[in-house]
Amino acid sequence: AQSVAQPEDQVNVAEGNPLTVKCTYSVSGNPYLFWYVQYPNRGLQFLLKYITGDNLVKGSYGFEAEFNKSQTSFHLKKPSALVSDSALYFCAVRDGNNAGNKLTFGGGTRLMVKP
Amino acid sequence: DSGVTQTPKHLITATGQRVTLRCSPRSGDLSVYWYQQSLDQGLQFLIHYYNGEERAKGNILERFSAQQFPDLHSELNLSSLELGDSALYFCASSSQVRATNEKLFFGSGTQLSVL
Repeated sequence: AQSVAQPEDQVNVAEGNPLTVKCTYSVSGNPYLFWYVQYPNRGLQFLLKYITGDNLVKGSYGFEAEFNKSQTSFHLKKPSALVSDSALYFCAVRDGNNAGNKLTFGGGTRLMVKP
Repeated sequence: DSGVTQTPKHLITATGQRVTLRCSPRSGDLSVYWYQQSLDQGLQFLIHYYNGEERAKGNILERFSAQQFPDLHSELNLSSLELGDSALYFCASSSQVRATNEKLFFGSGTQLSVL
């Protein structure tokens, strides 16, 4: 079975400071990893994905994520946070070796960026 | 705008009732996924359809059923509703059946309140 853990329910950061939202995963095959963001009263929006290749993946809105196979982590980062980044962030994993299509999400982390 | 349309946006009903949630995928997308988002369970995968056929089932209750029609829109039917069924129900679409490395496009969701 595959699973995702987001250990922090909420992350608080001041505007202009770097931010990190943590994610660890468990999957039996090759991990396909995703980050999605959910703004209030909206559906989830894709931010970035790791399939293969460089461990540092760049995505939308200046976000990036680092894949660490040994630590089974895929933390989301941004060098300088904006107030408009405040939202709910979800990490998700899919088993790249499995013919099934289930995308498993973590519980979500609320990011609060204060002016 | 993701291109995925869900109706209605809000639904208020009573216990024991039956409701139907509707989803129109992005133009050209053949895969439709249903997810349930609640405070205690997080984002849970319910079911996946591809071109009219059920492809995967997740944590979907027997009281719930879904189908995808020839025009590719999908409906999620929830019956004998209980208070615990109150949640935000999302539909997502993608173009492929396996979509292991493909991002999903989410609708804005239907907020179901069972009173």
